[in-house]
Amino acid sequence: DQQVKQNSPSLSVQEGRISILNCDYTNSMFDYFLWYKKYPAEGPTFLISISSIKDKNEDGRFTVFLNKSAKHLSLHIVPSQPGDSAVYFCAAKDFGNEKLTFGTGTRLTIIP
Amino acid sequence: AAGVIQSPRHLIKEKRETATLKCYPIPRHDTVYWYQQGPGQDPQFLISFYEKMQSDKGSIPDRFSAQQFSDYHSELNMSSLELGDSALYFCASSLGGTIYNEQFFGPGTRLTVL
Repeated sequence: DQQVKQNSPSLSVQEGRISILNCDYTNSMFDYFLWYKKYPAEGPTFLISISSIKDKNEDGRFTVFLNKSAKHLSLHIVPSQPGDSAVYFCAAKDFGNEKLTFGTGTRLTIIP
Repeated sequence: AAGVIQSPRHLIKEKRETATLKCYPIPRHDTVYWYQQGPGQDPQFLISFYEKMQSDKGSIPDRFSAQQFSDYHSELNMSSLELGDSALYFCASSLGGTIYNEQFFGPGTRLTVL
């Protein structure tokens, strides 16, 4: 039972354009969401997070949007840079638990 | 800035052997988490510790055990290894006691069971 889903396994974007990565969840108890970036042979690197009381959080080139009614969040990267090429995981947790539940990941490729 | 340290980075074992993975959290982080990532899969939560006490438990097999020590480092002990245990094992740490706490991951230990 995949409670966090990233329906696009891969995405290619031209350098300088906007990258939009999507994530859907089914568990209405989730109240905190995070995005991680992962390079091969490395651990996930924390990028940005958002709590359920907000609908937007911004940090430099990264913005996360949360639509609670649709149980959907997205990560916008603008402008996209070659170094952004990696696998991106969204993750979710609920207040009562420590664990993160990860999505299946989206491989982002930035085309120079 | 100091990051989460995991050792060893690579480990090769035979079936039915035992393995011990170590995790050293970011200084002053008091919460440690273990995740398992199989090939082509997303990381799956195994177990977590806060202030040396188990705080949450996921899909950790009975053959595995873990603990957190007084210096906050953690060890994952795996016995009677099976081929299916071959995976990347990540440790993460965070500053507990807060409602929303980001987990920072180590580089992982790649375990291969032959």
